[in-house]
Amino acid sequence: AQSVSQHNHHVILSEAASLELGCNYSYGGTVNLFWYVQYPGQHLQLLLKYFSGDPLVKGIKGFEAEFIKSKFSFNLRKPSVQWSDTAEYFCAVTMFSGGYNKLIFGAGTRLAVHP
Amino acid sequence: EAGVAQSPRYKIIEKRQSVAFWCNPISGHATLYWYQQILGQGPKLLIQFQNNGVVDDSQLPKDRFSAERLKGVDSTLKIQPAKLEDSAVYLCASSLVNTGELFFGEGSRLTVL
Repeated sequence: AQSVSQHNHHVILSEAASLELGCNYSYGGTVNLFWYVQYPGQHLQLLLKYFSGDPLVKGIKGFEAEFIKSKFSFNLRKPSVQWSDTAEYFCAVTMFSGGYNKLIFGAGTRLAVHP
Repeated sequence: EAGVAQSPRYKIIEKRQSVAFWCNPISGHATLYWYQQILGQGPKLLIQFQNNGVVDDSQLPKDRFSAERLKGVDSTLKIQPAKLEDSAVYLCASSLVNTGELFFGEGSRLTVL
């Protein structure tokens, strides 16, 4: 079955630490890849996206993600986290089925950054 | 630009009662989605509309859930009768084109007692 896996459910870091959140998907066709973020008390919003081209994509607030097609992975990174990065992060993948793109989410990773 | 509007934000009902959620997408967005997010899980697609037609409702429990988007704009999601396991946040999202880039509303949190 088509699915998206996020390796870490909870991550706790200190400010200035580096971050890497893992995401793998199971689907052999063409995909669009996303990371969405939900800050406390706010709605889900797009952090970054990959459709095609350079597999290293940069998003808002210093986040970046790398698409490795051979590993079916789209890991999220940030070299130095801030307290304001405390949020829940969702990896999502579109899988083409029945003539349209279906967006499937991972279970999410809850990140807590301590000052 | 106004975002995706949802109401109510919170609803508490007893099992076997009914509830309805409303969503108004961003103006001009043809695709509308309803997702269910249970605590500790990622959003699960319940139904996807393209204009006022359904393109995917494969994970909608049709014996109790229904959704409509009559004029291709706003949408309602209804649960009747509700079960305890329906406790979740119901997210509405819309998109201009079907690429996966979605704009989400604040969500409607349902508690079934």
